[in-house]
Amino acid sequence: DAKTTQPTSMDCAEGRAANLPCNHSTISGNEYVYWYRQIHSQGPQYIIHGLKNNETNEMASLIITEDRKSSTLILPHATLRDTAVYYCIVRVDSGSRLTFGEGTQLTVNP
Amino acid sequence: KAGVTQTPRYLIKTRGQQVTLSCSPISGHRSVSWYQQTPGQGLQFLFEYFSETQRNKGNFPGRFSGRQFSNSRSEMNVSTLELGDSALYLCASSLARVGNEQFFGPGTRLTVL
Repeated sequence: DAKTTQPTSMDCAEGRAANLPCNHSTISGNEYVYWYRQIHSQGPQYIIHGLKNNETNEMASLIITEDRKSSTLILPHATLRDTAVYYCIVRVDSGSRLTFGEGTQLTVNP
Repeated sequence: KAGVTQTPRYLIKTRGQQVTLSCSPISGHRSVSWYQQTPGQGLQFLFEYFSETQRNKGNFPGRFSGRQFSNSRSEMNVSTLELGDSALYLCASSLARVGNEQFFGPGTRLTVL
């Protein structure tokens, strides 16, 4: 699975959009970009995933650059409950193995 | 639909003992994966079971083992516990189809004294 690079930490004001970047310059053509988050001491939670096109669901939007070497997870209206570690994972979409990096600690401030 | 459940939630053992952790996946999910999370190493993949067969394994010593039953419930066992085995052990289940996500349980917090 391709290696990802994320900032160690980010801050965001409550109610504003949180934009979390991820670099995956060695991504292969058949690898997907997945985002999970982990609220303190809980199990990780799936957020969204995509291959080439931008994706949106009830939780977030995923923007993938045209060359697929980077992506951005957007939480449109961050709340205090969105404070968590966010993991960007790039993987071939077969099997269930996830390789977690260190992720980004997002802190949403009131 | 009930989520992934793990038992026990907390466990304290001493060095040299063995431990068995249990995971019940979401109904209909046939794939169960196990992860270890420690402050130093982060989240690391242990192994995955699908239809009672281990089909993927991480880089852990043979003291770590697992199995899956016909109802997809899974157990993992750690023998001859070491202090470094203290961790949060997470179980995740999925439908194991292309594009589907994994659902994690709350984890079992193991402390080895």
